[in-house]
Amino acid sequence: GQNIDQPTEMTATEGAIVQINCTYQTSGFNGLFWYQQHAGEAPTFLSYNVLDGLEEKGRFSSFLSRSKGYSYLLLKELQMKDSASYLCAVRDGDYKLSFGAGTTVTVRA
Amino acid sequence: IAGITQAPTSQILAAGRRMTLRCTQDMRHNAMYWYRQDLGLGLRLIHYSNTAGTTGKGEVPDGYSVSRANTDDFPLTLASAVPSQTSVYFCASSDGTSGSLEQFFGPGTRLTVL
Repeated sequence: GQNIDQPTEMTATEGAIVQINCTYQTSGFNGLFWYQQHAGEAPTFLSYNVLDGLEEKGRFSSFLSRSKGYSYLLLKELQMKDSASYLCAVRDGDYKLSFGAGTTVTVRA
Repeated sequence: IAGITQAPTSQILAAGRRMTLRCTQDMRHNAMYWYRQDLGLGLRLIHYSNTAGTTGKGEVPDGYSVSRANTDDFPLTLASAVPSQTSVYFCASSDGTSGSLEQFFGPGTRLTVL
């Protein structure tokens, strides 16, 4: 089975930086995804990591360490619209995605 | 271009009834997936199809069946609904199963079984 852990909730102030950690134990590894999901909406793709290191995409960056089974999503210059759930998902050896329970980020003015 | 559509948007269903959730994509993606999302549990894979004509079981397949007669459609059927199947159901598709090819999600179906 798969085991993917991420914090349940985080709160930060507009303009600040927030780091969402994700640890995983899976049967095989073929990439890690981060998705954003606003309340009542579908998840949308944010980032993909398959090799160790940092991937930067505008205000969002994602980091992966395969040896540690660890990833984080970094959100910079937080905006009110970034209030959402952030889902860590690992693609296993059978190329299926397993999702963490999600981290709800609340951005306060 | 619609992407992925799901129907119905929401449904209240009596226990024991049969229900089919519809999913259609117009992106000609090979792979399609059904997930359920429950509070505190995240998205869990029910069934998947890597290509038309083939299907596979995910993490929580019991009580559900799927078919993939063509590329575009991937219906999910609850043969005899039970209250524990109350959930939000998301259909997703991807152009393939490897590399950086992400999954695109439909808007979801909110199902309540009483």
